[in-house]
Amino acid sequence: DAGVTQSPTHLIKTRGQQVTLRCSPKSGHDTVSWYQQALGQGPQFIFQYYEEEERQRGNFPDRFSGHQFPNYSSELNVNALLLGDSALYLCASSLVGASGSIYNEQFFGPGTRLTVL
Amino acid sequence: GNSVTQMEGPVTLSEEAFLTINCTYTATGYPSLFWYVQYPGEGLQLLLKATKADDKGSNKGFEATYRKETTSFHLEKGSVQVSDSAVYFCALSSSNDYKLSFGAGTTVTVRA
Repeated sequence: DAGVTQSPTHLIKTRGQQVTLRCSPKSGHDTVSWYQQALGQGPQFIFQYYEEEERQRGNFPDRFSGHQFPNYSSELNVNALLLGDSALYLCASSLVGASGSIYNEQFFGPGTRLTVL
Repeated sequence: GNSVTQMEGPVTLSEEAFLTINCTYTATGYPSLFWYVQYPGEGLQLLLKATKADDKGSNKGFEATYRKETTSFHLEKGSVQVSDSAVYFCALSSSNDYKLSFGAGTTVTVRA
């Protein structure tokens, strides 16, 4: 059973560029969340996607956007990159369930390390 | 809003020593509480969880008890090994919230 996968593993961009990160959820999961983890800090919630819509968003600017596809995979897009966007970007998947209740356990991928020069 | 405060590190221990990492939280409602572990170069792995007051989560010799009266979820292990060297994160999720809120993490190094 494949866990959460993310691509690419590492990425180097320059200020002002745009980047797209990708995530495939754990088999059977329908919800994808994205987190930003700056060096030496805990992950910060960016947003969550369910049924191809953004369900909840953290305190991140509109430069951060996302998408979820019918197969539940997801993309994170960041426009106009800043030096401060350098971080490990983590994708986590979870299962909402037929009842609509939230199974709060989230499974994390290995992350994409983004460096902005 | 929700927040998690963890004991600051780094923590350095000898093998077979006792480990405690303190975690306190602020949350609305009745949150679920988690400990995640991050080994060098890897993503986060769920170590243990507790979903209601007085629940004890346990895994791989680690334990944590959900204390509502003190809003705490301290992580303990009686005898650490070198392989326990990692960063440990306390986190919570409220029943009316979809996200995980994390503490800053505690780096633990175990020396042989």
